[in-house]
Amino acid sequence: ETGVTQSPTHLIKTRGQQVTLRCSSQSGHNTVSWYQQALGQGPQFIFQYYREEENGRGNFPPRFSGLQFPNYSSELNVNALELDDSALYLCASSHRAGGIDTQYFGPGTRLTVL
Amino acid sequence: DQQVKQNSPSLSVQEGRISILNCDYTNSMFDYFLWYKKYPAEGPTFLISISSIKDKNEDGRFTVFLNKSAKHLSLHIVPSQPGDSAVYFCLNDYKLSFGAGTTVTVRA
Repeated sequence: ETGVTQSPTHLIKTRGQQVTLRCSSQSGHNTVSWYQQALGQGPQFIFQYYREEENGRGNFPPRFSGLQFPNYSSELNVNALELDDSALYLCASSHRAGGIDTQYFGPGTRLTVL
Repeated sequence: DQQVKQNSPSLSVQEGRISILNCDYTNSMFDYFLWYKKYPAEGPTFLISISSIKDKNEDGRFTVFLNKSAKHLSLHIVPSQPGDSAVYFCLNDYKLSFGAGTTVTVRA
């Protein structure tokens, strides 16, 4: 059983650019959630995808968008990057089968916006 | 809405002693919580969870207590070991709200 993987591990972009981060779910999981963790803070929920549909969203602007693919892998896209978007982006997968699910996290992608 | 707060940003404890981490929340409709541990440069790792049908859940050295009337939960680590030095987060399953984290340092 493979765990959650994310790519790339590190990324540097400039303000105004666009970025795509990728996440491969743990085998057997059908739900992916994305989080932004700024320095010294807890992870902030961006959105969740369940079976390719958005299934909840946190307090992030529309320039944060996502996709989930039939194999349950996922992408996070951020347009018009701002300096404050510099953070660790975490992806977590889980198996939602009615009720509560435990999330398993990837190692994260460190995004730096200059 | 649900807010989850960890009011102690750091905790230092001697090896072998008990570590107690606390978490408070605002909305009692969603009493299911998970604790995660995070090392630098790694993603959070699931430790233990508790739901509103219980007031205690134990797994080895880790015990979580849920006080629904006080909207408070705590994680006890006994005995603390050097490998426990990490940042600990509590997460509410509804709205996927994390606390800000508590950095635990276990002294030899």
